[in-house]
Amino acid sequence: DTAVSQTPKYLVTQMGNDKSIKCEQNLGHDTMYWYKQDSKKFLKIMFSYNNKELIINETVPNRFSPKSPDKAHLNLHINSLELGDSAVYFCASSQDAAGVTETQYFGPGTRLLVL
Amino acid sequence: EDQVTQSPEALRLQEGESSSLNCSYTVSGLRGLFWYRQDPGKGPEFLFTLYSAGEEKEKERLKATLTKKESFLHITAPKPEDSATYLCAVQAGSSASKIIFGSGTRLSIRP
Repeated sequence: DTAVSQTPKYLVTQMGNDKSIKCEQNLGHDTMYWYKQDSKKFLKIMFSYNNKELIINETVPNRFSPKSPDKAHLNLHINSLELGDSAVYFCASSQDAAGVTETQYFGPGTRLLVL
Repeated sequence: EDQVTQSPEALRLQEGESSSLNCSYTVSGLRGLFWYRQDPGKGPEFLFTLYSAGEEKEKERLKATLTKKESFLHITAPKPEDSATYLCAVQAGSSASKIIFGSGTRLSIRP
């Protein structure tokens, strides 16, 4: 009964391809996030959705498009993959986005390698 | 610009040798400071949230403290299973949902 799950765990693909990463949380949280962790281990937020509504959209190429079909799912689609997109992508969720500081719960990560 | 800096980058200790990890931050309006543990190949796992200067929290061999400029994660008599990367993150007042992470300290405990 994994709280935050991601698929696939590993993704190896060629430059120029389009790929998707899926995320699901069964914690009943309202807010979900996508983070990118680079080779230097910096975790940087990319997007955040609260109850299916986009609330954070950092400076990310528009080749990246998040989609939230319901508040338990947040998928990440990447078009025209580039070498620099290689990283580990983490999904996370929290109870709420507003108000008090929220603890975020992370998924296991998707390791993307673009060749 | 909001910034989080962790030191040292890596720390190797003998089992039982106590030490501290540092997280210094410059943010406008701190709402909270988080400590996470990350094992290789896994996502970060929540440890503590600190909200105001002077606050302290403990969990087993770990104790987190907070001042107006930095936080320390003290580890007392560590065991090999405490080996992991420890991440510090801050939530700034400018955005309720934006959390800024440091690059982490890789802690290795030798038996």
